[in-house]
Amino acid sequence: DQQVKQNSPSLSVQEGRISILNCDYTNSMFDYFLWYKKYPAEGPTFLISISSIKDKNEDGRFTVFLNKSAKHLSLHIVPSQPGDSAVYFCSNTNAGKSTFGDGTTLTVKP
Amino acid sequence: NAGVTQTPKFQVLKTGQSMTLQCAQDMNHEYMSWYRQDPGMGLRLIHYSVGAGITDQGEVPNGYNVSRSTTEDFPLRLLSAAPSQTSVYFCASSFRDRGYNEQFFGPGTRLTVL
Repeated sequence: DQQVKQNSPSLSVQEGRISILNCDYTNSMFDYFLWYKKYPAEGPTFLISISSIKDKNEDGRFTVFLNKSAKHLSLHIVPSQPGDSAVYFCSNTNAGKSTFGDGTTLTVKP
Repeated sequence: NAGVTQTPKFQVLKTGQSMTLQCAQDMNHEYMSWYRQDPGMGLRLIHYSVGAGITDQGEVPNGYNVSRSTTEDFPLRLLSAAPSQTSVYFCASSFRDRGYNEQFFGPGTRLTVL
């Protein structure tokens, strides 16, 4: 049973606008949620995380929001840039064992 | 630091052949994992290790074996390759008990089984 779900396989936005990527989870027994970014033919790279005791974490253009009552997290990218075009995965980790969503392909058009 | 390295980058096997995918990290990470990624899908955990001498199964372990004799190395063995094992394989490592335990991924091995 997949513990994190990304229901939107793709998202297209205009350069300079906001990108919002969503993730739902089923198991609340995790300390952290993480977002990874993946370019073609490369391994994923860590982007940003959020602790389960917080509801927001911000790092430059990237902000992650956590809504524990809805079991939902979202990644906001403002402003979006063409270099942000990639696949984004949400993930959670417990004692060395991680679960990933299926990913959302973001395309930022110039 | 080289980070996480994987060899080979590409491999073509015939059904029934066996092979080992190599993974090494030089960051002294306790945790190491193997994932496979199929088209349109996320990363699915095959096996993972929380330290040398300790391994455990992930979501899709059938047809694969692992061992962890050193902190640095975590090879993945395909016992008898099947077309269903055609995929891209990623190895990852992370520290233990460092908060959010960000994983560092290798560049991947693209495997085709004919």
